[in-house]
Amino acid sequence: DTGVSQNPRHKITKRGQNVTFRCDPISEHNRLYWYRQTLGQGPEFLTYFQNEAQLEKSRLLSDRFSAERPKGSFSTLEIQRTEQGDSAMYLCASSYGTRNEKLFFGSGTQLSVL
Amino acid sequence: GQQLNQSPQSMFIQEGEDVSMNCTSSSIFNTWLWYKQDPGEGPVLLIALYKAGELTSNGRLTAQFGITRKDSFLNISASIPSDVGIYFCAGHDNTDKLIFGTGTRLQVFP
Repeated sequence: DTGVSQNPRHKITKRGQNVTFRCDPISEHNRLYWYRQTLGQGPEFLTYFQNEAQLEKSRLLSDRFSAERPKGSFSTLEIQRTEQGDSAMYLCASSYGTRNEKLFFGSGTQLSVL
Repeated sequence: GQQLNQSPQSMFIQEGEDVSMNCTSSSIFNTWLWYKQDPGEGPVLLIALYKAGELTSNGRLTAQFGITRKDSFLNISASIPSDVGIYFCAGHDNTDKLIFGTGTRLQVFP
């Protein structure tokens, strides 16, 4: 399978716990994006990497959120001290190139914070 | 966050009918992309548009990049049950982020 892979597909956690999601992009893609989607809304941009450099972060990305892409391949998104408002689908996408490229999305990680 | 406006919000149509939906923005976009999303899955790319006025087809789907660069349209001809889902427009703004629309939910009845 050469698509974007995300793990886990589903995560249920208690408020206050930390969670980490992983994304494996399409192998030749140099850009990797994280989006968040709540019910009935379109995906909202969180952050993106070009190779291992994190180039932009949205205001939605509070200081409890941290994303890494240590070797320019897979990426992790960690949420510390989860809150009920963090419940959402977290989507990862990748693209090849530098500007205005097509993004290809993974199946997402559905987070439920109880 | 910033989102594009899509209309209609939802559509209920009979199998075989044609469908039209559109997306508008208050600012200029450099590209327009159309995605389809099924429940519990990520968006799947349908069509990408790169130039103002461009008209592109993908099977029964046709999309256009508006001349003003502030809107885009998607048409689906002869709808079938597997067309059911949520359709999102998306565009790259001048900061190179891909911004998504609010979605059009399509329901097709046999």
